[in-house]
Amino acid sequence: KNEVEQSPQNLTAQEGEFITINCSYSVGISALHWLQQHPGGGIVSLFMLSSGKKKHGRLIATINIQEKHSSLHITASHPRDSAVYICAVRLLSGGGADGLTFGKGTHLIIQP
Amino acid sequence: EPEVTQTPSHQVTQMGQEVILRCVPISNHLYFYWYRQILGQKVEFLVSFYNNEISEKSEIFDDQFSVERPDGSNFTLKIRSTKLEDSAMYFCASSSRVLQPQHFGDGTRLSIL
Repeated sequence: KNEVEQSPQNLTAQEGEFITINCSYSVGISALHWLQQHPGGGIVSLFMLSSGKKKHGRLIATINIQEKHSSLHITASHPRDSAVYICAVRLLSGGGADGLTFGKGTHLIIQP
Repeated sequence: EPEVTQTPSHQVTQMGQEVILRCVPISNHLYFYWYRQILGQKVEFLVSFYNNEISEKSEIFDDQFSVERPDGSNFTLKIRSTKLEDSAMYFCASSSRVLQPQHFGDGTRLSIL
């Protein structure tokens, strides 16, 4: 059972395009994370959301708690945005330092 | 900006041997995590650690695994009697509080031969 589903799995776009990556989850959560994983493997935290919308530079993340859905948008995409974008959630399990549950990731390629 | 550091970056070990993966979390962080990612698969939670004890562990984290914070800075993952299927990238992460972003290290690629 996949508690976190991402779409699309793969996305190739031209430089400058507006990119949207979607994440749906099936269980109650206390927070949702968007992460970026580069080809070398390292993981960088982009956003942590529990409601509403956050913006950092060309990246925007939104979450709809009622619909159990989040989106990551990239405006004016650039080849350096090419990476795997991962949605991960912290489940509502009653407390403790619970680890994250990850989606499979969206492999994004931005072509010049 | 402070970062989580992991050593070694790549570890090659014979099946059946013990390995210790090391992590130095960000200095004022209190919550520590280990995750693993088998090649081509999603990242999976192994264990979380707070106040010098395990807070939560997944089904993957069986008796073969153990974690320790031997001093004020290091956080280690030990795998006893490694198996071929332990080959993966292992990530350490830390956060200052539970509902704060987790900061990840660059990972240790573990290859079991």
